[in-house]
Amino acid sequence: DADVTQTPRNRITKTGKRIMLECSQTKGHDRMYWYRQDPGLGLRLIYYSFDVKDINKGEISDGYSVSRQAQAKFSLSLESAIPNQTALYFCATRLSNTGELFFGEGSRLTVL
Amino acid sequence: AQSVAQPEDQVNVAEGNPLTVKCTYSVSGNPYLFWYVQYPNRGLQFLLKYITGDNLVKGSYGFEAEFNKSQTSFHLKKPSALVSDSALYFCAVRDDGATNKLIFGTGTLLAVQP
Repeated sequence: DADVTQTPRNRITKTGKRIMLECSQTKGHDRMYWYRQDPGLGLRLIYYSFDVKDINKGEISDGYSVSRQAQAKFSLSLESAIPNQTALYFCATRLSNTGELFFGEGSRLTVL
Repeated sequence: AQSVAQPEDQVNVAEGNPLTVKCTYSVSGNPYLFWYVQYPNRGLQFLLKYITGDNLVKGSYGFEAEFNKSQTSFHLKKPSALVSDSALYFCAVRDDGATNKLIFGTGTLLAVQP
């Protein structure tokens, strides 16, 4: 089983719909992140969390919200999806502030 | 603000030839640098990192990277490319702020021709 699991892997939805992307990890890491990948733009940080009670905005948090339900679970929500939120979304975990990130396989979201 | 730049959108190399994927960085303090690889329809996988110590860092799959402080570069290298190395490569730097989050470059597509 993967250490960082994202669901769904693919989702097509319509403008205005609420969408939740879920992430769970078995690595025991406190730090969890949501990134968005767009062609030519690399990865941009949406939200991050250092523990269950700690949620922080990244560089592109507008239009998104998150919930850290447990140490192992970190979900990303789009309250009212819009087409420019069509992208590949990655969840990642990290052990420490000098450590590397461990990524999930990604969730491809298409908003029509 | 910390940043990394990957000046090449794509690098083409013949199988068996050496490869270099370029990365330059800008940080206010000591740089913590990373390389990741992304295969099609997969998440990013960690290749190697430079925290301190030797300027030549060895990583997974035969890759290595050379840290050059004077040129503010951290280029990824491999002596002999394989077709299976074809993928998207990302350089990243650790932010010096309180969050220490990773800031990624825009990626370089490596295409290895047989």
